[in-house]
Amino acid sequence: EVQLVQSGPEMKKPGESLRISCQGSAYSFNKYLINWVRQMPERGLEWLGRIAPSDSYTNYSPSIQGHATISVDKSTSTVYLQWNSVQASDTAIYYCATEREYDTLTGYHNWFDSWGQGALVTVSS
Amino acid sequence: QSVLTQPASVSGSPGQSITISCTGSSDDVGYYNYVSWYQQHPGKAPKLLIYDVSNRPSGVSSRFSGSKSGNTASLTISGLQAEDEADYYCNSYTSISTYVFGTGTKVTVL
Repeated sequence: EVQLVQSGPEMKKPGESLRISCQGSAYSFNKYLINWVRQMPERGLEWLGRIAPSDSYTNYSPSIQGHATISVDKSTSTVYLQWNSVQASDTAIYYCATEREYDTLTGYHNWFDSWGQGALVTVSS
Repeated sequence: QSVLTQPASVSGSPGQSITISCTGSSDDVGYYNYVSWYQQHPGKAPKLLIYDVSNRPSGVSSRFSGSKSGNTASLTISGLQAEDEADYYCNSYTSISTYVFGTGTKVTVL
C-alpha cells in the first residue's frame, strides 16, 4: 500500500525560507507523480503543482508559479515544496498526493489516489 | 485559473439520495473525462471516491456514483448514511495540463 509521510508542523515569520517534505514508501517511486495541494484555514482545496520523479518534470498552478518550487530527491524518495520568502497568506495545511504516471497498458491516471497526512504551516509575525 | 463551482451545502435524511453538482468550463470539466471526486472528514486528508467521471476505486461503496454532462459533473450519494457527513470536492484536469478543484460542498445528514 502506497504510503506518503509528510514533515511536521512549521511556524515561520514573514520573509523566512521554508521547505516541507513528503516521503513515499511501499511503491515504485518513479511511477507516480507527486502533487501538492493546500487548504487555507476554513477554505477548500487548491492544487499547487506536481513533479514527476522519473524526469523531474514539473508544472505549477498560476497562483504559485514563481513563489514556491517543487523538487525531488530520488535517493530518499522524497519530494519537497519550498519557499524563499513565505508570506502570511501561505498559512495553510499542505497535502501531498500521488498521481500514477501514464503507461501504455492502463493509459492516463488523472486523479490523486493516495494522500499524505498533511502539514500545517503557520506564517505570522 | 477559476475554480469549479459547487453548492456550498446539501442535506438529506438517512436513506435518501442527494446529488452534488460541479460546474466548470470547456477548458476543464468539458474538455476531458478526467473528473474526480474526494471526500474529506474534519481534520482528515481527502479520500478518492470517483475517478474518470464515473469510476469507483476498489473499496469505495457503490452508493457513490458520478456522471457528467457538458461542463457539469455530478456526484450522487444513494442511501445516505451518517458517516457520509463530510465535505466533498470535485477536481478536473484542464486543457493547460493543470488541475482545478471545486469550491467544496458540505453534506449534512439530518
